[in-house]
Amino acid sequence: GESVGLHLPTLSVQEGDNSIINCAYSNSASDYFIWYKQESGKGPQFIIDIRSNMDKRQGQRVTVLLNKTVKHLSLQIAATQPGDSAVYFCAERRDYKLSFGAGTTVTVRA
Amino acid sequence: EPEVTQTPSHQVTQMGQEVILRCVPISNHLYFYWYRQILGQKVEFLVSFYNNEISEKSEIFDDQFSVERPDGSNFTLKIRSTKLEDSAMYFCASSQAGVVAGELFFGEGSRLTVL
Repeated sequence: GESVGLHLPTLSVQEGDNSIINCAYSNSASDYFIWYKQESGKGPQFIIDIRSNMDKRQGQRVTVLLNKTVKHLSLQIAATQPGDSAVYFCAERRDYKLSFGAGTTVTVRA
Repeated sequence: EPEVTQTPSHQVTQMGQEVILRCVPISNHLYFYWYRQILGQKVEFLVSFYNNEISEKSEIFDDQFSVERPDGSNFTLKIRSTKLEDSAMYFCASSQAGVVAGELFFGEGSRLTVL
């Protein structure tokens, strides 16, 4: 059954604002989580990952937060730009394969 | 920057026909995958391949599906007798060290339309 999912299917954000994309997972055995970005007509592109022994990981303009207590994962994008418009998927590693959530479509308003 | 390449970008076929989707993974990668994405839905795992054999497959990957690495560079997905519900975007991915170590690199996908 479904074990990875996102809270909202769409998110509209003003250019320059911060974006927060959420994901809930149900399998406490998952030990590794990844955020992917998928632009129109392209394949998923790795953004950032986090292991289950961490709470937070930062990249360039992106931060992933993991709350294992409530099985919640979030992706924060600082100073959102038009190029950030895409579908964002969280994925969890379970049994040596990735399971993807349903995706959040982020639209950046100029 | 090395990338995963897929051909064709779009294929239209009649129901019942055989389809072969081709992928060239990144050259030093050892693990290969096929995923599919039905329009508007999430990306679904089909199969993983390592050391010239299937290492894992999903329930979707039934007897109509097969994978092959015919030479040192190509990785193919064959659908023996396509059904309408096989219409989807098929993504190939590769990684250096498997999902254990992390990052999968995805191709841009092959869109399959079954009529």
